[in-house]
Amino acid sequence: GENVEQHPSTLSVQEGDSAVIKCTYSDSASNYFPWYKQELGKGPQLIIDIRSNVGEKKDQRIAVTLNKTAKHFSLHITETQPEDSAVYFCAATGAAGNKLTFGGGTRVLVKP
Amino acid sequence: EPEVTQTPSHQVTQMGQEVILRCVPISNHLYFYWYRQILGQKVEFLVSFYNNEISEKSEIFDDQFSVERPDGSNFTLKIRSTKLEDSAMYFCASTEQGRNTEAFFGQGTRLTVV
Repeated sequence: GENVEQHPSTLSVQEGDSAVIKCTYSDSASNYFPWYKQELGKGPQLIIDIRSNVGEKKDQRIAVTLNKTAKHFSLHITETQPEDSAVYFCAATGAAGNKLTFGGGTRVLVKP
Repeated sequence: EPEVTQTPSHQVTQMGQEVILRCVPISNHLYFYWYRQILGQKVEFLVSFYNNEISEKSEIFDDQFSVERPDGSNFTLKIRSTKLEDSAMYFCASTEQGRNTEAFFGQGTRLTVV
C-alpha cells in the first residue's frame, strides 16, 4: 500500500519568513495529494490540494508543488503569520483513490 | 459552511467496555470514513463505508470494531470490548465522491481507555 513520509517533524520560523514542508510517497499510482492543517482540539482541515495532472498550485500565501517522477510534493507558506502555527499533514490517496495515507505531521511554530 | 460533527468530544471508558462513537457526516456526502490518531503517531485509516456497507478496512479494523449507519444522518463506530491500546483520537470524515476528492473531517473524539 501507500506510504507517506514527511519532513521536518517540527519547524520554527520567524514571522514573515517562509516555511517549507516536504513529503514523499511510495505508490506511483497516487493521483491526489491534499494538505491538512490541524489546530489544537480540532480536526484536520484541508488547506490546499493538488492532483497529478498539475505540477504546482497556489492559493494566496500557500503553494504546493508536485514532482511525480521523484514522488515528492511540498507545501510552501510565504509571509508566515502567528496564526499559521499548527500541525500540518500531507496525504496521498494511493491507487484506489478512496482513502488517505497521512504523513507523520509537521508542527509549525511562527514566532512573532 | 457544512461540517462533520462528532460526539462525544471526549469519552473515558473502562477496559473491556463497549463504546460507540457517533458522527453526522455532511448531508449530501455518500462516502464515510473513520480514522484514528494515537498520541504522537500518524493519522491512520480504519474503514470506509459506502452504500450501507464497508468498502475497505485496514488491518487495525478487526472483529472488535464495527460501523453502522442506523439512519439517514448518523454514522457510528463501535468498539465491542475496548483495550488500553484503543486509546486515541478518532476522526470521522466524509466525501461527496469516492475517489481523489476532498475529505471533510470532524473535530474528533478522544477515547481514553483506563
